[in-house]
Amino acid sequence: GENVEQHPSTLSVQEGDSAVIKCTYSDSASNYFPWYKQELGKRPQLIIDIRSNVGEKKDQRIAVTLNKTAKHFSLHITETQPEDSAVYFCAAIDGDSNYQLIWGAGTKLIIKP
Amino acid sequence: GAVVSQHPSRVICKSGTSVKIECRSLDFQATTMFWYRQFPKQSLMLMATSNEGSKATYEQGVEKDKFLINHASLTLSTLTVTSAHPEDSSFYICSARSGGVNNSPLHFGNGTRLTVT
Repeated sequence: GENVEQHPSTLSVQEGDSAVIKCTYSDSASNYFPWYKQELGKRPQLIIDIRSNVGEKKDQRIAVTLNKTAKHFSLHITETQPEDSAVYFCAAIDGDSNYQLIWGAGTKLIIKP
Repeated sequence: GAVVSQHPSRVICKSGTSVKIECRSLDFQATTMFWYRQFPKQSLMLMATSNEGSKATYEQGVEKDKFLINHASLTLSTLTVTSAHPEDSSFYICSARSGGVNNSPLHFGNGTRLTVT
């Protein structure tokens, strides 16, 4: 089955700087990689996702890159703002297990004013 | 966009009682829904996969007799925590895929904060 590792567990950046969160996965057959943002006490919300047929996807200040050879994908947030502070989870789909999502452990992103 | 509605958002119950949590897909049909449990400062832990019209698939270590799942229609799945104990206190959250393919986005309900006294 799939295994997803996420780093770092906590990331503190100055407002306006960029933040990068990295994830690795183990199953080369995985073909879908979403990123979720979860604010304290609230549900995870999809912020961006990428499928294995592309290497990069961008949506305003957020981008995700995928390296299938190395089996890792990263979330990039540019020009960070205080409202970006949250916990971010990466995930990969597990084709062996009813296509459930296998989650990373999460990264707490802190934006310092 | 796709909306998943989950109720109640918060519930406090006494030990030994049962609590039912509902998860509804409001604008799409969901043949599969996922139930998660989340402890403070931790990632989502999949409890079970709910399949419309058939038995749920439980993850290892999750007691199926304690966490009863019913997925009677394409828009409703319920999780019943039976004979609740304080250690069952947690944040429970459901999710469903809006697309018909397995690599489509997962949409989450708002979650249910369960406190067992």
